Amino acid sequence: ETGVTQTPRHLVMGMTNKKSLKCEQHLGHNAMYWYKQSAKKPLELMFVYSLEERVENNSVPSRFSPECPNSSHLFLHLHTLQPEDSALYLCASSQEAGGPHEQYFGPGTRLTVT
Amino acid sequence: GQNIDQPTEMTATEGAIVQINCTYQTSGFNGLFWYQQHAGEAPTFLSYNVLDGLEEKGRFSSFLSRSKGYSYLLLKELQMKDSASYLCAVMDSNYQLIWGAGTKLIIKP
Repeated sequence: ETGVTQTPRHLVMGMTNKKSLKCEQHLGHNAMYWYKQSAKKPLELMFVYSLEERVENNSVPSRFSPECPNSSHLFLHLHTLQPEDSALYLCASSQEAGGPHEQYFGPGTRLTVT
Repeated sequence: GQNIDQPTEMTATEGAIVQINCTYQTSGFNGLFWYQQHAGEAPTFLSYNVLDGLEEKGRFSSFLSRSKGYSYLLLKELQMKDSASYLCAVMDSNYQLIWGAGTKLIIKP
């Protein structure tokens, strides 16, 4: 595997379900990110991790819970979501968090909340 | 507040040239990025400008004017595969990327 991978690619869940999104980067980067992408809206930064430590949490509802067990893996745990949470969730990584570094994106998980 | 503006959609003809504009107002500036995103795929990096002027990379060029808060992406010799969304993003004083909503480019034969 190369680059940034995400699983699953598609997910349909009910509002009472609990699920997790997984991201893995094979680039040796130190920073990882979760973004939400809704149609015709700018990418919304949700969380930033630098060397497994959370450095940014942009007022994201507590029904989204990130986990970064090591610098290569990032999870987004989901519970009691709302229909408006339906979106494409993108994971990205970069060399470092605090610098003008290009971000490399995974293909995303298309989430539908019913 | 911080704001990035770019056109929602543009249409161009195969073989032609198209310019996608981006204007920004951010707290601080540490560079401007352009990304390409095909439908259902990951955004991929195209260019990074931090100094004023034109950066050329094959068929794609990116221009920056920091005093005007303005950038453009120029695509030459358009091909059908260039049909995609083009995302403009500015890195602010905290090195956080502020994103535009993207410009959907439609290429017609």
